[in-house]
Parts: sequence; C-alpha cells; structure tokens
Amino acid sequence: GDSVTQMEGPVTLSEEAFLTINCTYTATGYPSLFWYVQYPGEGLQLLLKATKADDKGSNKGFEATYRKETTSFHLEKGSVQVSDSAVYFCALILGTYMNTGNQFYFGTGTSLTVIP
Amino acid sequence: DGGITQSPKYLFRKEGQNVTLSCEQNLNHDAMYWYRQDPGQGLRLIYYSQIVNDFQKGDIAEGYSVSREKKESFPLTVTSAQKNPTAFYLCASKGGRVTDTQYFGPGTRLTVL
Repeated sequence: GDSVTQMEGPVTLSEEAFLTINCTYTATGYPSLFWYVQYPGEGLQLLLKATKADDKGSNKGFEATYRKETTSFHLEKGSVQVSDSAVYFCALILGTYMNTGNQFYFGTGTSLTVIP
Repeated sequence: DGGITQSPKYLFRKEGQNVTLSCEQNLNHDAMYWYRQDPGQGLRLIYYSQIVNDFQKGDIAEGYSVSREKKESFPLTVTSAQKNPTAFYLCASKGGRVTDTQYFGPGTRLTVL
C-alpha cells in the first residue's frame, strides 16, 4: 500500500550545520509530496510541497526535490538555526476524490534539535 | 483571518465519560480530518469527511464517533469505549484538489484521569 518512510531521529545538530532528513515513499500512482513542521504543543504547519516529478519545493531556506526515480523527497537546509528545532513530517497524497478520499499518508516524524 | 480552530486546548476526562472535541474551519474546505498523535509517534487517521453529512472511518476509528452537519464543523466524540484515549488530537481541513495543502488546527490535548 501507499506509505512514507522517514529516517529515524532524534537528530541533533550544531547551529549552522547542514541538515538532511531522508524521506522515501511507496505509491501506486503519482503522489503529491509534502513536508510539514510541528513545534512543541502545536499543530502541523506546511513547510513545502511538490506536486510532480522533478519539482523542487522550497521555503525558509529548506528545500526538497521530488525524485521519481528514487521515490524520494529528502529535506535539506544549508545552515540550521536554533529556531528550526521541531519535528518534521514527510507526507504524501495520492489519487482522486473518488478513489482515495484525499487521504494523506504521514511518516513517523523526525525530531530535530539545533544547539547553539 | 482564515483558519482552523480547536477547543479546548487542554481537556481532562474521567474514565467512563464521553467527551467531545470541537473543530471549526472558515476556509470553505469540503474535506475535514481527525488525527491522533501519541508521544514520539506519527499521525494516525481517526475519521475523515469529504462533504457534509458524510464521513469515513480511518485506521483507528474504534471508540470514536463524528458528525458533519455543517461544512464548517467536524466535532469528534471520544467515547468510553476508547481504551486509551490520552493523546494529542489534531483536526485538519483541505480543499478539493488533490494537490491542495492540508491545514491543521492547534490541537487538543486530552488526558484521562
């Protein structure tokens, strides 16, 4: 079935370090892919998304490229800040209104802590 | 401002009681969702609704019930049949296109005493 697999955390980095959080997916069709961020005690916020192969989503210095050949959507940031400390979720949605009910499939989340 | 509101933010319940969590959106979205999040875990889908007066069970619907009488509102009732209801509950909504973003509310933390 359709699913998302994220690298397990927690991840701890020093400020200004390079960040990669791996995400791979399994889908029977052509999904749209998303990264969400969750700060402690809050709901999820959209970070970026890509709706077709080779698209690059970007926001707040974060980037992810939709790679159909490797079924991946890895999240990267060149220089992390303390304020980036949060949990990051990869997600996909697949199909049409009739086929899947617009269901999202989420990864288990990767916790990131950035230390000064 | 458009968005999703959930209330209350914190909720305490005694064992054996039913409790209802509120979710309201003014984004004019047709689809609404309820998720459960346990500490250190991902999101698990409880129920979702694509249109008014229609809803479908998600992966963990047992012990929960919902209604969708209005487009703006999608309340979740946690019944006494739910064996382990202590969790963080998130409501979300989404527009009609497949590629539309799912927007989340701030969540309700339910604790069973």
